[in-house]
Amino acid sequence: EAGVTQFPSHSVIEKGQTVTLRCDPISGHDNLYWYRRVMGKEIKFLLHFVKESKQDESGMPNNRFLAERTGGTYSTLKVQPAELEDSGVYFCASTQTSWYTSEQFFGPGTRLTVL
Amino acid sequence: KQEVTQIPAALSVPEGENLVLNCSFTDSAIYNLQWFRQDPGKGLTSLLLIQSSQREQTSGRLNASLDKSSGRSTLYIAASQPGDSATYLCGAGANNLFFGTGTRLTVIP
Repeated sequence: EAGVTQFPSHSVIEKGQTVTLRCDPISGHDNLYWYRRVMGKEIKFLLHFVKESKQDESGMPNNRFLAERTGGTYSTLKVQPAELEDSGVYFCASTQTSWYTSEQFFGPGTRLTVL
Repeated sequence: KQEVTQIPAALSVPEGENLVLNCSFTDSAIYNLQWFRQDPGKGLTSLLLIQSSQREQTSGRLNASLDKSSGRSTLYIAASQPGDSATYLCGAGANNLFFGTGTRLTVIP
């Protein structure tokens, strides 16, 4: 069974540009999470989808970040316009059933560098 | 707000030694505590999940315990091997996970 996949693995962009990250969860997993780790800090939650609905987006840093999950399958996270402090590794995770009793499976991450 | 702390930040042991990694959390209202390992440049690999009603979980040489009342979890690794070298992370939460900064483990052959 394929795990969580993320694309691209690396992205280097200039400040002010737009970047879109993609996450494909494990097939059949209704719950999808985005997390981020900036340099030297712990991994922090961004938002949680249940199917195509945003269950919790309390971790989104500001309105330059837009997450979507059309059709309840893959998800995208768009940063527009990107700022220097957005640099970090963005992780996606998915779970199968009820979120509070399920193991989270993580993707390999997308390393974003904003110059 | 949940805060997760992992001690020590780094640990170096000779091969074959048993070791314990510690994780503490400030809010005991969690549903899950999950231990992960992360290899350099890679994603997080799930090791063990302990649900709030459980006290411990075991997988091979790994044993994780959970004491919600004291806000602590430990990960015990028996007979360590060089392949165990990685950063170990714990995540605790009721919905999303809150993470510590990890313990970097080096097992010396």
